Amino acid sequence: EPEVTQTPSHQVTQMGQEVILRCVPISNHLYFYWYRQILGQKVEFLVSFYNNEISEKSEIFDDQFSVERPDGSNFTLKIRSTKLEDSAMYFCASSEVRTSGARAGLQETQYFGPGTRLLVL
Amino acid sequence: AQKITQTQPGMFVQEKEAVTLDCTYDTSDPSYGLFWYKQPSSGEMIFLIYQGSYDQQNATEGRYSLNFQKARKSANLVISASQLGDSAMYFCAMSWRGSQGNLIFGKGTKLSVKP
Repeated sequence: EPEVTQTPSHQVTQMGQEVILRCVPISNHLYFYWYRQILGQKVEFLVSFYNNEISEKSEIFDDQFSVERPDGSNFTLKIRSTKLEDSAMYFCASSEVRTSGARAGLQETQYFGPGTRLLVL
Repeated sequence: AQKITQTQPGMFVQEKEAVTLDCTYDTSDPSYGLFWYKQPSSGEMIFLIYQGSYDQQNATEGRYSLNFQKARKSANLVISASQLGDSAMYFCAMSWRGSQGNLIFGKGTKLSVKP
């Protein structure tokens, strides 16, 4: 069964360093997402990406964050200068797009990767 | 504004019994989807079940069913015949047409299955 994969599974970094989190979405999916979950808290939306551009982003997704699809398979989240409060689990997700019917335009189920646990020291 | 509320921080259930996890939602968009995800202690998010706002019947997936009451804006997850492996955090989530597909999550319910 196809699945979303993420690397690395764990990342430890010093405050102020740049990190790149990598994701390989399910191959026929067209929408990609990043979410984060601070320890013990709920999952929060960061950004969605479709057709090689950001389609939606939350207020958390400020200038220190960027996303890229450098090739046909990878989807990356870059944090330019990490802060202590960036420590969290980061999830990548992907979905198809429903193209017809009453729910046209409403995305299909999002499938999540296993997450990258980021610790900023 | 859209909102998901899970009022049960923790639940206990005896193995082999059924359990209901509560979820209420709020949106003014008539087109939305409701999801349940399971997060075991290892951390991954596992999709369980989906209910669309236009779906006439309650969704079912194996031992999982969604008790969708549109007028009450509730989407409770029912797990039948609980197993020890069901012990995990359970999150209710919603997307709506205006959200471009992104999900908002509730705070989750921690389910513990007792042998």
